[in-house]
Amino acid sequence: EAQLLESGGGLVQPGGSLRLSCAASGFPFSIYGMNWVRQAPGKGLEWVSGIDGSATTTYHADSVKGRLTISRDNSKNTLYLQMNTLRLEDTAVYYCVRGVGGFDVWGQGTKVTVSS
Amino acid sequence: DVVMTQSPLSLPVTLGQPASISCRSSQSLVHSDGNTYLNWFLQRPGQSPRRLIYKVSNRDSGVPDRFSGSGSGIDFTLKISRVEAEDVGVYYCMQATHWPRTFGQGTRVEIK
Repeated sequence: EAQLLESGGGLVQPGGSLRLSCAASGFPFSIYGMNWVRQAPGKGLEWVSGIDGSATTTYHADSVKGRLTISRDNSKNTLYLQMNTLRLEDTAVYYCVRGVGGFDVWGQGTKVTVSS
Repeated sequence: DVVMTQSPLSLPVTLGQPASISCRSSQSLVHSDGNTYLNWFLQRPGQSPRRLIYKVSNRDSGVPDRFSGSGSGIDFTLKISRVEAEDVGVYYCMQATHWPRTFGQGTRVEIK
């Protein structure tokens, strides 16, 4: 069974940094594109970043370009989100999601709180 | 960016009765490969979202057949033939034809 397990969330001050990880298991990780999707408290879903299976191409929402960077290590079956220059509005639960188009497998999410 | 507009945003339903959610995109979701990448998700309270429908009308494994998706171009619909208690939650449509991927605002389904 395909599973995704996020980690790395926590409390950080505005302007700070954090790196999220997503450990994948139960499927051939390197052939799947992956995404990060976030959900602010009480709000809807917002796509953040995507990456193809070979890490050749990445995509980011305009709201995070230049601050959040998606990457992956296929030898470790792990997806990452490097978060720099964090803002209050980045506070959210961050989900790791499989598939560039499918979005068929979701992790349980990791909570990021940006607050002074 | 493609804007996804859902309606209604709140949907009180009676158990056993049908329900329908509309999703409209600001531009065609037909991909150059001929597919239409329109997904539907359900997020139950306190849970991660779960995909129900992919490419407009294909039900995921384990999704009851009371759920159906239809539509084309820019207009799409999710229907529940007979609502059950476990169907409560927020439903989202999402397009995966264009970058950036975009979600609808969500439709909250509750039991009357």
